[in-house]
Amino acid sequence: GAGVSQSPSNKVTEKGKDVELRCDPISGHTALYWYRQSLGQGLEFLIYFQGNSAPDKSGLPSDRFSAERTGGSVSTLTIQRTQQEDSAVYLCASSLFGRSYNEQFFGPGTRLTVL
Amino acid sequence: DQQVKQNSPSLSVQEGRISILNCDYTNSMFDYFLWYKKYPAEGPTFLISISSIKDKNEDGRFTVFLNKSAKHLSLHIVPSQPGDSAVYFCASRQNTGNQFYFGTGTSLTVIP
Repeated sequence: GAGVSQSPSNKVTEKGKDVELRCDPISGHTALYWYRQSLGQGLEFLIYFQGNSAPDKSGLPSDRFSAERTGGSVSTLTIQRTQQEDSAVYLCASSLFGRSYNEQFFGPGTRLTVL
Repeated sequence: DQQVKQNSPSLSVQEGRISILNCDYTNSMFDYFLWYKKYPAEGPTFLISISSIKDKNEDGRFTVFLNKSAKHLSLHIVPSQPGDSAVYFCASRQNTGNQFYFGTGTSLTVIP
């Protein structure tokens, strides 16, 4: 069965450029999370989408970061004017809302390198 | 501010022995605690969880223990197998919140 997919798997960009990262969640999962993992750090929460509710953007580190989720399915994380400190692995996860522990299914991640 | 901490970045264990991975947290309001396992170039996969109303949950070779007074969580793997070699993350959240807080991970190596 199809799990969570992310594209691209690797992205190298120059400082100042914009990047878009894509996440395809598991079909039927209403909740979608974005995290990033910088070198030597744990997973840092960025944003959470649940159904048609307003997203929880409390983890976005700056206004250069934004995310959308179209039609309750695919999500795009956009980073504008990238900085070297944005280099990290960006992970997307989805879950079937209502399960007792909100088990999340993660994608393989996008490794972003900002030169 | 790291609310979930895994103070051991790595652990090596002989095959067949017990692996004990530890996790400490600072927020007494956390309701759920989870362990994830991550292989290189893959996303984390859910392993086992425990609610704050319990102190132990067992699933096959994996047992999670919760000590709320000490704000301490541990994962026991017994017997350890070479396929268990991976990075293990603990995570916590409040029932009222959306955000999961993850530790920095412990890299487990099970030596054949």
